[in-house]
Amino acid sequence: AQSVTQLGSHVSVSEGALVLLRCNYSSSVPPYLFWYVQYPNQGLQLLLKYTTGATLVKGINGFEAEFKKSETSFHLTKPSAHMSDAAEYFCAVSLRTDKLIFGTGTRLQVFP
Amino acid sequence: EPEVTQTPSHQVTQMGQEVILRCVPISNHLYFYWYRQILGQKVEFLVSFYNNEISEKSEIFDDQFSVERPDGSNFTLKIRSTKLEDSAMYFCASSGRANTEAFFGQGTRLTVV
Repeated sequence: AQSVTQLGSHVSVSEGALVLLRCNYSSSVPPYLFWYVQYPNQGLQLLLKYTTGATLVKGINGFEAEFKKSETSFHLTKPSAHMSDAAEYFCAVSLRTDKLIFGTGTRLQVFP
Repeated sequence: EPEVTQTPSHQVTQMGQEVILRCVPISNHLYFYWYRQILGQKVEFLVSFYNNEISEKSEIFDDQFSVERPDGSNFTLKIRSTKLEDSAMYFCASSGRANTEAFFGQGTRLTVV
């Protein structure tokens, strides 16, 4: 069965530090992979997605993620955290059906 | 920029009552979804809808739940007899094509008392 694992329910970084949010997936077929962000009291906003092609994907707000098939990973990174990046981040997988399967989420805190 | 709109933003209902959550998907989208997020837990798929019928549903989506696209713009989720455990944030989403990104609404927070 397909699944998504996000390591670390909470991640704290200082402003200007590297952000690394981990996501591993389990899939029997090549997946489509997504990262969504949820700001407080708001809906889910797409940060970036991987479907096919280039394995390094760039998204909005300076985020990027790399699909590594050998590691079944799709970790989200940002070189320099900003206070406005504080939010909940969800990794999701789609396995050639319409539905998204979400991870449990990682809450990112950014300290000044 | 087109967006998915959900109403109401917050609904409080008594256990056993029927509720209808409303969504207006992006106008040229063809695929529609409902997800829910119980407080502190992950976002869970409920149902997908395409071509005026359910294309997939989860185990959560039992006989108490139904979806409808009553006209060309609205997409609704009905819970016939609410339970306490139905309390959650319900998200509507839509996409233009299969297997592409879904655009989510702001959510409706349902509280069953």
